[in-house]
Amino acid sequence: EIVMTQSPATLSVSPGERATLSCRASQNINYNLAWYQQKPGQAPRLLIHGASTRATGTPARFSGSGSETEFTLTISSLQSEDFTVYYCQQYSNWPLTFGGGTKVEVK
Amino acid sequence: EVQLVQSGTEVKKPGESLKISCKGSGYIFTKFWIAWMRQMPGKGLEWMGIIYPGDSDTRYSPSFQGQVTMSVDKSIDTAYLQWTSLKASDTAVFYCARLFLYGDSYFDYWGQGTLVTVSS
Repeated sequence: EIVMTQSPATLSVSPGERATLSCRASQNINYNLAWYQQKPGQAPRLLIHGASTRATGTPARFSGSGSETEFTLTISSLQSEDFTVYYCQQYSNWPLTFGGGTKVEVK
Repeated sequence: EVQLVQSGTEVKKPGESLKISCKGSGYIFTKFWIAWMRQMPGKGLEWMGIIYPGDSDTRYSPSFQGQVTMSVDKSIDTAYLQWTSLKASDTAVFYCARLFLYGDSYFDYWGQGTLVTVSS
């Protein structure tokens, strides 16, 4: 099973600032990585797939990068609605696995 | 518009059985795999398995194999997740989601979630 490790667990950032979230895979997953955003009491929402391709409706301030074992989600200028939890998910191998999540909070 | 609508909140006792549902609309239900995920209180997401509504082919996560059963009724575009004997540790929110493609296995649409509480 591929283990996905997200860091940090909590990221404190001021509105308007840049946020950088990391996701590490325990083995090479090429570009088979997705990012999801989950707001309290809601289902997750797909943001990014293929490590860097924005899903339909994802604002341009969200960008994904990386390959193999190291991946990054960058939010260029945090808006109030962006302060929530983000998960990465690998789909290179079965079983599909998620990272533990990063909570982005207001500094 | 693609939608997955799940059944409502359930409160059950340990040992009871349960079947929750996920109804798809806005797309050809039999052409896309449906996945189930668990989110325990205050925790992250866990993939449980997938089912192909076209022929009921299933893939289970090793962590959930034998613990739950996935099924579909393609005549009503609905997928199901069921337990025969619930435990307190089954308390969680369960999400269904559409798999974009087998092989490009990310989840492009999600249901709203079903909260299952198991308590004596």
